[in-house]
Parts: sequence; C-alpha cells; structure tokens
Amino acid sequence: KAGVTQTPRYLIKTRGQQVTLSCSPISGHRSVSWYQQTPGQGLQFLFEYFSETQRNKGNFPGRFSGRQFSNSRSEMNVSTLELGDSALYLCASSPGQSTYEQYFGPGTRLTVT
Amino acid sequence: QKEVEQNSGPLSVPEGAIASLNCTYSDRVSQSFFWYRQYSGKSPELIMSIYSNGDKEDGRFTAQLNKASQYVSLLIRDSQPSDSATYLCAVKRDAGNNRKLIWGLGTSLAVNP
Repeated sequence: KAGVTQTPRYLIKTRGQQVTLSCSPISGHRSVSWYQQTPGQGLQFLFEYFSETQRNKGNFPGRFSGRQFSNSRSEMNVSTLELGDSALYLCASSPGQSTYEQYFGPGTRLTVT
Repeated sequence: QKEVEQNSGPLSVPEGAIASLNCTYSDRVSQSFFWYRQYSGKSPELIMSIYSNGDKEDGRFTAQLNKASQYVSLLIRDSQPSDSATYLCAVKRDAGNNRKLIWGLGTSLAVNP
C-alpha cells in the first residue's frame, strides 16, 4: 500500500506571498492531520480533517487554513507568509475515528525569505 | 510545565546495550500513547502504540506505561547504530472536541559502534 505523499517537497517563497501544500493520505485513511515542525518548537498541531470536515484546530493564526476533498486528499494554505513560517510541514494520515495511530508523509520544507 | 516532557539528550549508549527513553505527561485522563522515531532530515515513523498499563513488546522494542505515575517509556534492546535517531513521545488528548496528539520535543539517541 502506498504511503502518504506530499507535494511539493521543497518551496522557497518571499514574505507576503501565499503557498498551498498538498497531501494524499494512505488509501482508505479518512483522517488527515497537519503539523509544523521547527527545531525549537517541535511538532505543532495545525489542524485535522476527517471526511471533509475540520475536526480539530491548533493555535495558529487564521493565515493558516486547510481543506479536505471527497477523496481524502488535503491541502493547506498559508497566506501572507512571514519569515517565522519557515519550517517543515508534515501531513499525517490515520484510518479514522477509533485510532490515532498516525502515519507521516515526507514533509514539505518551506523557506520564507 | 509542558504537557509532554522528554529529556532532550543526547543519550549515548554503546552498541548492544539497552537504551531507555522516558516521557512524562500532565493530563491524567490521557489513554493513548505513541512512540515515533525520526531520523535526521526525515519524517517521524511510528514505532509503537500503547494503551494499557504494563509492558508491550515488539521485537527489540518494549513500551512501558504507568498511568498512575503518568509515565511512559521505550526500551530498545541490543541497540544498533541504525537506532541512532530522535525519539518522539506523543500523547493523545481527549478533551471533548479538542482531541489531538500532544508531542514531546524528543530525545536524541546515539548508539556508538
């Protein structure tokens, strides 16, 4: 079974721009979570989607948004990029509601200059 | 106090020894606990999940959970240089609709040949 895929793998953007990241979960998985990982803060939860609905949200500003499509693929968007948004963005998929075992994609490395 | 705490390390052990990684958590109602391994430049990989008090073994890995002490640990027997990585502890928070994984910052493990 194919794993979680994320595109693009690397991005360089300038301040003020916006960016969209994509995630395709493991086939059959309906839950997708997004995380931001930085050396000092570790893994920070952004949001979780299940069956196209945002089920949970972390403590990030409204510039961070996401959505999930009917095929469980998910996108996250960051508008008005700031230097501090430079990080590794990870997507994790999980089978569904009863388990929280999460399987991560390779991540998207975002650099904001 | 952080919700999930781990010693940052580095924890250095000789090849063949037992590596012991520890994690404490603050939310008494937490029921699900996970250990992930993250190699440098890679995404986290699920090693084990544990839900009940006691030990759970999988190959060279043993997870130990003590809910009364709010403590979960990971033992790696016969440590190999390939085990050198950062080990992340994650705890599932179940607070109404605010269900998500809370992550420790990780413990860096170095296994010396």
